[in-house]
Amino acid sequence: DTEVTQTPKHLVMGMTNKKSLKCEQHMGHRAMYWYKQKAKKPPELMFVYSYEKLSINESVPSRFSPECPNSSLLNLHLHALQPEDSALYLCASSQVRAGGTSGTYEQYFGPGTRLTVT
Amino acid sequence: GQSLEQPSEVTAVEGAIVQINCTYQTSGFYGLSWYQQHDGGAPTFLSYNGLDGLEETGRFSSFLSRSDSYGYLLLQELQMKDSASYFCADVSGAGSYQLTFGKGTKLSVIP
Repeated sequence: DTEVTQTPKHLVMGMTNKKSLKCEQHMGHRAMYWYKQKAKKPPELMFVYSYEKLSINESVPSRFSPECPNSSLLNLHLHALQPEDSALYLCASSQVRAGGTSGTYEQYFGPGTRLTVT
Repeated sequence: GQSLEQPSEVTAVEGAIVQINCTYQTSGFYGLSWYQQHDGGAPTFLSYNGLDGLEETGRFSSFLSRSDSYGYLLLQELQMKDSASYFCADVSGAGSYQLTFGKGTKLSVIP
């Protein structure tokens, strides 16, 4: 199974709502990622989890709160979002690599959640 | 910070060969990856170059020159389904490594 699943596929929320995005993988990957992608732009890294611990937070506003309850699941909790937060939110997973130039650094992406904030 | 430059758009004819270039200025660089993304779809991994030289995977090849901070993706025998956005991405960090994507190249394959 080389699939990363994300739910929901689409989400419309008001600026006062609280919602959560979910991501799941069963490839045994111990690194999981959240990206934000605006239309016609590249994915931008938001958070990285390694062995269920937050290792990188790319200065993301606190209205986005990640959570990694176990090695297969990754959540992104949303609260008091702004209309400019509307975007495609992508989850990805990968093996944890030792670094260096050898090997393959492949990330597997889920289909994303299309978020609209009204 | 990390910076990767690639052309914004390329158009090529079905059956032809196209090369998408990527130049980079990064720190902590391990290698260069390439991802394909169809409209409305998720990025999918195409290739990775950690060492200088050419990597070939079917119709796709990728090249890296560390001394020139330059790489390219070569697509041969173009098919209509190859119409998509192609991103180069630098790989940096250890453990849970990071990808920093270039702005992407929109490839249109025409009959």
